[in-house]
Amino acid sequence: LAKTTQPISMDSYEGQEVNITCSHNNIATNDYITWYQQFPSQGPRFIIQGYKTKVTNEVASLFIPADRKSSTLSLPRVSLSDTAVYYCLVGDWAGGFKTIFGAGTRLFVKA
Amino acid sequence: EADIYQTPRYLVIGTGKKITLECSQTMGHDKMYWYQQDPGMELHLIHYSYGVNSTEKGDLSSESTVSRIRTEHFPLTLESARPSHTSQYLCASSDGLAGGNTGELFFGEGSRLTVL
Repeated sequence: LAKTTQPISMDSYEGQEVNITCSHNNIATNDYITWYQQFPSQGPRFIIQGYKTKVTNEVASLFIPADRKSSTLSLPRVSLSDTAVYYCLVGDWAGGFKTIFGAGTRLFVKA
Repeated sequence: EADIYQTPRYLVIGTGKKITLECSQTMGHDKMYWYQQDPGMELHLIHYSYGVNSTEKGDLSSESTVSRIRTEHFPLTLESARPSHTSQYLCASSDGLAGGNTGELFFGEGSRLTVL
């Protein structure tokens, strides 16, 4: 399983764009990159997934460079409700992959 | 809206009691998982299943046991609860990456267990 490294915490202000970078130097060819969001006392929720280049949905964008050794989750114009823990996961779910969450990045959005 | 349900949501019991945390999903997912998480701490995988009659232990050693007799049902049992088992237990399911799916995990609302 590819190990991931993320900042432990980040602070931001409402209305700003937030970029959280995840390092995954030993990512395998079949691995996808997936991000989850978790609010206190709730289970994580899927945000976005990508394999290479850029992926965008209604919530976030995911930027993946050509070497795929890192990825950046971009949250446009954050609000107080975006305060949460964000997890970067790397793996191949096609087979018997067991999903392991790391420590994640604790994002705190201030008014 | 994810169709995965956990009961009970909250449970307070005494030491030595046997408890079962229920988890059911109506999405037909083959893969199911149990995670344990203390407040403000990391999620730890304690059990997972790839399908009926398939169960494996996760990365965090746990005294709990699981069973998977039906696709939709993945209960977790503690034969003799202790205060060290006090935690939140989160159940999840996934259908993997086949068929263009993302393999995302769908989580239940969790069961918060307190052992006195």
